[in-house]
Amino acid sequence: NAGVIQTPRHKVTGKGQEATLWCEPISGHSAVFWYRQTIVQGLEFLTYFRNQAPIDDSGMPKERFSAQMPNQSHSTLKIQSTQPQDSAVYLCASSLASGGNYAEQFFGPGTRLTVL
Amino acid sequence: GDSVTQTEGLVTLTKGLPVMLNCTYQTTYSPFLFWYVQHLNEAPKLLLKSSTDNKRTEHQGFYATLHKSSSSFHLQKSSVQLSDSALYFCALSEITGNTGKLIFGLGTTLQVQP
Repeated sequence: NAGVIQTPRHKVTGKGQEATLWCEPISGHSAVFWYRQTIVQGLEFLTYFRNQAPIDDSGMPKERFSAQMPNQSHSTLKIQSTQPQDSAVYLCASSLASGGNYAEQFFGPGTRLTVL
Repeated sequence: GDSVTQTEGLVTLTKGLPVMLNCTYQTTYSPFLFWYVQHLNEAPKLLLKSSTDNKRTEHQGFYATLHKSSSSFHLQKSSVQLSDSALYFCALSEITGNTGKLIFGLGTTLQVQP
């Protein structure tokens, strides 16, 4: 079991450029979550999918941020026109979303985005 | 809205001493509380979870009890080790089905000294 895979591990963009972050959930997990981690704000929920369908995007900034899950094996988080305040570690997590007991979220190693 | 408060940003202790990291929460629904641990340059990992009032839950020497009357879920350990140095997050979730988004506190860094 390779765990949740996130690529790239580090990304540096210039202000105004686009950044696409990739997440491959654990095989068989049908729920995928995106979080953002900064020193000031800590860990913040962004959005989540269940069985590829968007369930809750209440944490996503209304502009420039979008997420997709085109198939069960990967999800992407896209940030258009990146700004310095977007600099953060973006974490993806996955969990089983079926069955009666609570399904633990397993986190990936994160993508550290630096916007210059 | 829902929120989690961790009052200590940094806790520094000598090896072998007990520790308690504070966590309180606010929510309008039946809470499911978690403690996650994140070692340097690693992903957060689940340490403890509970949704049962007044029942102690334990794992790897750490323990916590959910007290709904005081909206608290403090993390404790009787004797800290150097390997316990890490960032600890308390989190709250509304479970729909068997999963849901996590609302995290700001985290407490635990530094254990020799």
